[in-house]
Amino acid sequence: DAGVTQSPTHLIKTRGQQVTLRCSPKSGHDTVSWYQQALGQGPQFIFQYYEEEERQRGNFPDRFSGHQFPNYSSELNVNALLLGDSALYLCASSPLGRSRDTDTQYFGPGTRLTVL
Amino acid sequence: GQQLNQSPQSMFIQEGEDVSMNCTSSSIFNTWLWYKQEPGEGPVLLIALYKAGELTSNGRLTAQFGITRKDSFLNISASIPSDVGIYFCAGLPYPYSGGGADGLTFGKGTHLIIQP
Repeated sequence: DAGVTQSPTHLIKTRGQQVTLRCSPKSGHDTVSWYQQALGQGPQFIFQYYEEEERQRGNFPDRFSGHQFPNYSSELNVNALLLGDSALYLCASSPLGRSRDTDTQYFGPGTRLTVL
Repeated sequence: GQQLNQSPQSMFIQEGEDVSMNCTSSSIFNTWLWYKQEPGEGPVLLIALYKAGELTSNGRLTAQFGITRKDSFLNISASIPSDVGIYFCAGLPYPYSGGGADGLTFGKGTHLIIQP
């Protein structure tokens, strides 16, 4: 049973560029959430996608956008990159259905983004 | 927004010792999750708690959901070298829409270091 997968593992960009990160959820999961983890901090919630729509958003600017595809995979796009966007970007997926288990989020290995 | 206060920030212990860490909040949380993260990896789910007062074990790990719904603790018994890592508490705030529809709020982590 494949877990949450993310690509690429590492990425180096320069200020002002745009980046797209990809995530495939765990088998049987339909909800995908994205988090940003700065060095030495806990992950911060960016947004969540369900049924191809953004369902909830954390305190992040509009430069951060996303998409979910019919196969439940998701992309995170960041425009006009700033030095402060350098972080580990984590994708998490949650199971189908509306039981308490759907509150549990499983994380991928992350994409390390460095902005120069 | 909600914040989780996780303590201690770091722990230096001897192999074989028991470990205890906790997480508190000024507001109610509906679900508590405990994760472990190792360098360069995503957080790995250790224990999920869904009901106030719930006590759940996973091998040498035990976690409890506080009665007030504002705190949780994680204990590790008889620590071994592979327990080294950063432990995060995370919670889903109340009220919430359920069905995995919310972003997790994370603590800042407890860095566990084991001296042989």
